[in-house]
Amino acid sequence: EIVMTQSPATLSVSPGERATLSCRASQSVSSNLAWYQQKPGQAPRLLIYGASTRATGIPARFSGSGSGTEFTLTISSLQSVDFAVYYCQHYTNWPLTFGGGTKVEIK
Amino acid sequence: QVQLVQSGAEVKKPGASVKVSCKASGYTFTGYYIHWVRQAPGQGLEWVGWINPSSGGTYYEQNFQGRVTMTWDTSISTAYMELSSLRSDDTAVFYCARDHGASYYFFWGQGTLVTVSS
Repeated sequence: EIVMTQSPATLSVSPGERATLSCRASQSVSSNLAWYQQKPGQAPRLLIYGASTRATGIPARFSGSGSGTEFTLTISSLQSVDFAVYYCQHYTNWPLTFGGGTKVEIK
Repeated sequence: QVQLVQSGAEVKKPGASVKVSCKASGYTFTGYYIHWVRQAPGQGLEWVGWINPSSGGTYYEQNFQGRVTMTWDTSISTAYMELSSLRSDDTAVFYCARDHGASYYFFWGQGTLVTVSS
């Protein structure tokens, strides 16, 4: 099983600032990496797939990078609607696994 | 438009079973796998497994093997996940999600809360 580790667990950011979230895989997942945003009481929302491709309807302030074992989700200028929990997920083989999440909170 | 609509919340006693449904619409049901994801209260996302509605093939995460059964009914475009021998730590929201060819999820159900309590 590939273990996905996200850091930090909590990120305190002021609106308008840049947020950088990290995700590390215990072995290479190539570019088979997705990012999700989840708000309380809602299903996760796909942001990024293929490590760097924005899903339909996702604003350009969200960007993903990385390959192999190290990945980054960057939110260039945080807006109030972006405060949420973010998860990474690999889909290179079975079982699929998610990272533990990064909570982005208002500073 | 693609929609996944799940059945309502359930309350079960320890040792019982629960069956959650996921009704798909807006696409060819047999064209995409349906996955299930569990989320305990205040916790992260945990993948349970998938079913291929075309072949009936399934894959279950090891932690759920022996307790989970995924089935489907093509005639009503509905997938099911049954979890047996329920324990209090099975209390969670269960989501169904449709894959996208590759196994990431643009389309999700609204979630079904399963509460296990004596």
